[in-house]
Amino acid sequence: SQQGEEDPQALSIQEGENATMNCSYKTSINNLQWYRQNSGRGLVHLILIRSNEREKHSGRLRVTLDTSKKSSSLLITASRAADTASYFCATLLSGSARQLTFGSGTQLTVLP
Amino acid sequence: AAGVIQSPRHLIKEKRETATLKCYPIPRHDTVYWYQQGPGQDPQFLISFYEKMQSDKGSIPDRFSAQQFSDYHSELNMSSLELGDSALYFCASSSDRGPIETQYFGPGTRLLVL
Repeated sequence: SQQGEEDPQALSIQEGENATMNCSYKTSINNLQWYRQNSGRGLVHLILIRSNEREKHSGRLRVTLDTSKKSSSLLITASRAADTASYFCATLLSGSARQLTFGSGTQLTVLP
Repeated sequence: AAGVIQSPRHLIKEKRETATLKCYPIPRHDTVYWYQQGPGQDPQFLISFYEKMQSDKGSIPDRFSAQQFSDYHSELNMSSLELGDSALYFCASSSDRGPIETQYFGPGTRLLVL
């Protein structure tokens, strides 16, 4: 089963609104990362939050991490049509494993 | 800044053929990862190499093999291709030298098996 599961699977909002996407995971992590992917294109790293951090900001992005609930949220404020993409969370597990485990992604559509 | 380079960007093969995908990591990155993303799916980890040695193995079929060369570039070899192998194949690289390990992804190779 997937390490990370995201909700909602799809989100449609108007330009200027905020978009919130959630991610849950199952095992202990070293860090959690959010990626963006335009349709059929490459993955773009957005932001990384360590397991000992609770909140992080980067521009219009705000990420929270609750290790007790094994969940994270990504908030995009003042959304733009150009934010339309799929957003994935990915976890780097605790221990020696170095690969990322991706969630199923949220398809965000921002309507102009 | 230099990014991860993958070649080819697009590849069309027929069933039972073989394919070789190449990945050139960011200079001075010592780790390479391969991921497979099927249509509408999330990326799945296949295999990784650290300092030219296989470090982790994920859901890579036995028909696939990979290696990392002395110049740190990596190749993913895929044999007896099946229709289900059609996917985006991403390579990522990282370095242990930073305080936090971040993987940098290449643009991907889109493989279509007919």
